[in-house]
Amino acid sequence: NAGVTQTPKFQVLKTGQSMTLQCAQDMNHEYMSWYRQDPGMGLRLIHYSVGAGITDQGEVPNGYNVSRSTTEDFPLRLLSAAPSQTSVYFCASSQPLAGGYEQFFGPGTRLTVL
Amino acid sequence: GENVEQHPSTLSVQEGDSAVIKCTYSDSASNYFPWYKQELGKGPQLIIDIRSNVGEKKDQRIAVTLNKTAKHFSLHITETQPEDSAVYFCAASIGNQAGTALIFGKGTTLSVSS
Repeated sequence: NAGVTQTPKFQVLKTGQSMTLQCAQDMNHEYMSWYRQDPGMGLRLIHYSVGAGITDQGEVPNGYNVSRSTTEDFPLRLLSAAPSQTSVYFCASSQPLAGGYEQFFGPGTRLTVL
Repeated sequence: GENVEQHPSTLSVQEGDSAVIKCTYSDSASNYFPWYKQELGKGPQLIIDIRSNVGEKKDQRIAVTLNKTAKHFSLHITETQPEDSAVYFCAASIGNQAGTALIFGKGTTLSVSS
């Protein structure tokens, strides 16, 4: 299993541009989440999903959209990037329905917005 | 919503000493408390976790204690080694949805000198 994969690894955007951060998992996990990590701030929850077609907001959802059309994929969309969205983004998945509470994290996407 | 406070933000110990990191949480419904270790340039990795129906859990040199009444939990690392140097995060589940998504503390940078 590849686990949780994220693309791209690095991205530079200009203010106002849009892009999608990709996240995929091959562990058949029902639950997936997106976090952002800023220096001194820890990881903050952006959006999460408990299954295909179901998403919910986390701590810092503004400026981000998500959808979950398949179990495997959970893309994060920035519609109009702002410098405040410069961060490292992590995707995670888990399978609590099978007693697996551990969140497995991807390697992250480092995003810079100029 | 849930809030997790973590202390200290930095911790320096000598090899062989013990290290203790403490966290408090605000939502009494939270029922899952993991600890993650993050090395530079990588995603967080689970090192130990505890459910709310357990007071203490140990795995070799690492232990976690939970006080539900006081809403705080702690990570204890004994016989520290240089390879324990990393950033450590505590986290709490969103309400009683163990494994769904997490609210993280801001992290503790542990430095172990030989």
